[in-house]
Amino acid sequence: DAGITQSPRHKVTETGTPVTLRCHQTENHRYMYWYRQDPGHGLRLIHYSYGVKDTDKGEVSDGYSVSRSKTEDFLLTLESATSSQTSVYFCAMGSGAGEQFFGPGTRLTVL
Amino acid sequence: KNQVEQSPQSLIILEGKNCTLQCNYTVSPFSNLRWYKQDTGRGPVSLTIMTFSENTKSNGRYTATLDADTKQSSLHITASQLSDSASYICPPSGAGSYQLTFGKGTKLSVIP
Repeated sequence: DAGITQSPRHKVTETGTPVTLRCHQTENHRYMYWYRQDPGHGLRLIHYSYGVKDTDKGEVSDGYSVSRSKTEDFLLTLESATSSQTSVYFCAMGSGAGEQFFGPGTRLTVL
Repeated sequence: KNQVEQSPQSLIILEGKNCTLQCNYTVSPFSNLRWYKQDTGRGPVSLTIMTFSENTKSNGRYTATLDADTKQSSLHITASQLSDSASYICPPSGAGSYQLTFGKGTKLSVIP
């Protein structure tokens, strides 16, 4: 969706380094989400936000933290990346019970 | 625990043929269910959203059905095209929830 972008789109990093992924939306949606997608699994929720500075954990939150200081930005941080966090990360935005609109994804490789 | 089971896991069809993808879910109380198409290497894109009271909804060559009593949905693709090759996912949403439950999806390959 053109109203939501992710950066970087690709990243290769080493085990133990910190990594921050950025999600930016221009649609003023209240809710934002971070998912990871791995082979053999559906999209799994890492963290989500229901407003500025309001965040909560999803089903696979261990090793991840998030921050939302502005409506339009939702950051995902891996404090110390591990090889198990190699994945494709998707950000999404939404109005609540309505539809979620997904970003283009970030492919992260942890060596 | 909310769950989604999609079948088949993968499907190969000839261009021009029709196909139907199945989605069973256990979300309760139910609010709505979405069908998304995800091209390889891209984010999911919405095809349609079905609410509790809707039985059938069409979007071009895509027709979704919903039976809220049996907790089943299907996506029928008519006159398939090569561009229909993608994964299709059907996350339901519970009443009062802003989270979605995802299954593993169905990978569709349309060949010439």
